[in-house]
Parts: sequence; structure tokens; C-alpha cells
Amino acid sequence: AQTVTQSQPEMSVQEAETVTLSCTYDTSESDYYLFWYKQPPSRQMILVIRQEAYKQQNATENRFSVNFQKAAKSFSLKISDSQLGDAAMYFCAYMYNNDMRFGAGTRLTVKP
Amino acid sequence: NAGVTQTPKFRILKIGQSMTLQCTQDMNHNYMYWYRQDPGMGLKLIYYSVGAGITDKGEVPNGYNVSRSTTEDFPLRLELAAPSQTSVYFCASSYSAGLTDTQYFGPGTRLTVL
Repeated sequence: AQTVTQSQPEMSVQEAETVTLSCTYDTSESDYYLFWYKQPPSRQMILVIRQEAYKQQNATENRFSVNFQKAAKSFSLKISDSQLGDAAMYFCAYMYNNDMRFGAGTRLTVKP
Repeated sequence: NAGVTQTPKFRILKIGQSMTLQCTQDMNHNYMYWYRQDPGMGLKLIYYSVGAGITDKGEVPNGYNVSRSTTEDFPLRLELAAPSQTSVYFCASSYSAGLTDTQYFGPGTRLTVL
């Protein structure tokens, strides 16, 4: 079964600094999708960024970028110029067909 | 568009009671999903539907039932509530197969079973 592991339960970053959240996954498939979701205290799940496994180029969305290492099955999220509004739970997710698997999450704190 | 809406926002059930969690989307999405999120954990897929009349089990389907009679609605039924079903439930939808499209999530329903 596919599993997603986020090894950092909590991370902290100073405002305006850069932080990287780790994610590894286990799969035997070659064509799948990876996502990072943000969940603020409101509980709403907000898509941050997604990566298609067949694309070698790392996805970027403004201050958010990923480091996708397919062979290593690693999918880390880098947040640049961190802002107070970035504080939230971040979930890494893997999807193949209609089956989406989530990691346990990383709680990000942003210090002013 | 309202997106994905869920009702109720909160609910407390007694053991053995039944209830239906409602989910509606107005984006004409074919695919709909139900997840549960236990405290301190990620989401787990309960059931999904690829279109009206078609549903399938996800990772944790036991204790739940679903139906999909229309494109817009995807209710989740709990027949005999148990404390293990205390969780936050999220509904999501996407236009096409998950491989190519993003899932949009509702705000969640917090369910407590006592």
C-alpha cells in the first residue's frame, strides 16, 4: 500500500526566512501526482502546489517550490520569504487513480 | 460559485445513533470524495464517486455508506455511530480523474460520538 511519511511533526521559521518541509512516499507506480496542502486553524484544506510524477521540472508557485526526487521518492516543500500567514499544518499527499493518501502533517510556526 | 458545502458544521451523536453528513458541490464536478481526519493525523479516504450512480470504497470504508443519485450531492451515512468515528469529515470534488485535476475541499464537519 502507498504510504506518505512526514518526518517533521513541527517546524519553526523566522519571518522572511526560508524553510523546507520534508515528505517521502512509497509506491510501485510510475505515473502519479503529489500535492502539498495547507490547513490553517479554520480547517479548510488549501492546495499549495502539485507535481506530476512524469515531469522532471520542479513545480513552483510564487514563494512555494518543491524538490521532487523521483528515484528517492522524496517531495519536499520550500517556502521562501516566510510570512505570518504561512503558519498552518502542511500535509503532503500522494495520488494514484482516485486514491489519495496523506501524510500525518507538519505544523509550521512562523516567528515575527 | 459556493464551491463545496457541507452540513452540519458540528454534531454530537450518541453511540448507536445514525446520521447523514451532507455534501453538495456546484462546480459540475464528476468526482466526489469523503475523507476523515483524526486528531493529529492526515486525511484518510472513506469513499469516492466517479459519477452519479457510481461509488467505490477508499482506505477506511467500514461503518459508512454513500450514495450518488445526482452530480451535485454525495451524502455520507453513518448507521450505528461508534466512538471510533469521532473525527472531522471532509468532502471534496474534482472535475475529472484525480490524476489530472485538483480536489476542492469543503469546510469540514466535526463529529463527536459519545
